[in-house]
Amino acid sequence: ETGVTQSPTHLIKTRGQQVTLRCSSQSGHNTVSWYQQALGQGPQFIFQYYREEENGRGNFPPRFSGLQFPNYSSELNVNALELDDSALYLCASSQKGGEYYGYTFGSGTRLTVV
Amino acid sequence: AQSVTQLDSQVPVFEEAPVELRCNYSSSVSVYLFWYVQYPNQGLQLLLKYLSGSTLVKGINGFEAEFNKSQTSFHLRKPSVHISDTAEYFCAVILFTGGGNKLTFGTGTQLKVEL
Repeated sequence: ETGVTQSPTHLIKTRGQQVTLRCSSQSGHNTVSWYQQALGQGPQFIFQYYREEENGRGNFPPRFSGLQFPNYSSELNVNALELDDSALYLCASSQKGGEYYGYTFGSGTRLTVV
Repeated sequence: AQSVTQLDSQVPVFEEAPVELRCNYSSSVSVYLFWYVQYPNQGLQLLLKYLSGSTLVKGINGFEAEFNKSQTSFHLRKPSVHISDTAEYFCAVILFTGGGNKLTFGTGTQLKVEL
């Protein structure tokens, strides 16, 4: 079975720009969650998608938005980038009820905002 | 609100020695508890989880953890560590809300195994 793949692995953007990060979920998984991990910190929940609809959101501003597609892959979009958006962005997929079946994490996208 | 506290930011230990990584949580309701490991430049890998039942949970790579409800703790232990265990370890909780079950992570503990 394939795992969770994220692209790109690294990205450098300028403050004020927009960025799109992509995630392909593990085969058989229908739920995708996104996390932001700042340097030296634990991951922070951004939002979760289930069957193409947002199914929970963390304390992030509206300029963080997402999509889930019919094949359960997902995108994270961030508008008006700020320096503090520099972080590792992790995608995790699961079956519905991920706490029972487990979340599978990708290796992340390292975003640097300059 | 729920939170997770990992009391040690770094834990140095010699190879083949035992180790305990501490985790405490605060929540007014039942929680699910997890330990994840993160190797350099990689994502998170699940070590073990506690959902219900026996309070002693065994995971991969010889790790185990014990859920202590009265002390609101979920400490991770390994009786004999190996160099390859050097990594960042994260404790996490889920407050089951019926939707958008998010993981709330601690700040992590860097385990450094030395020869």
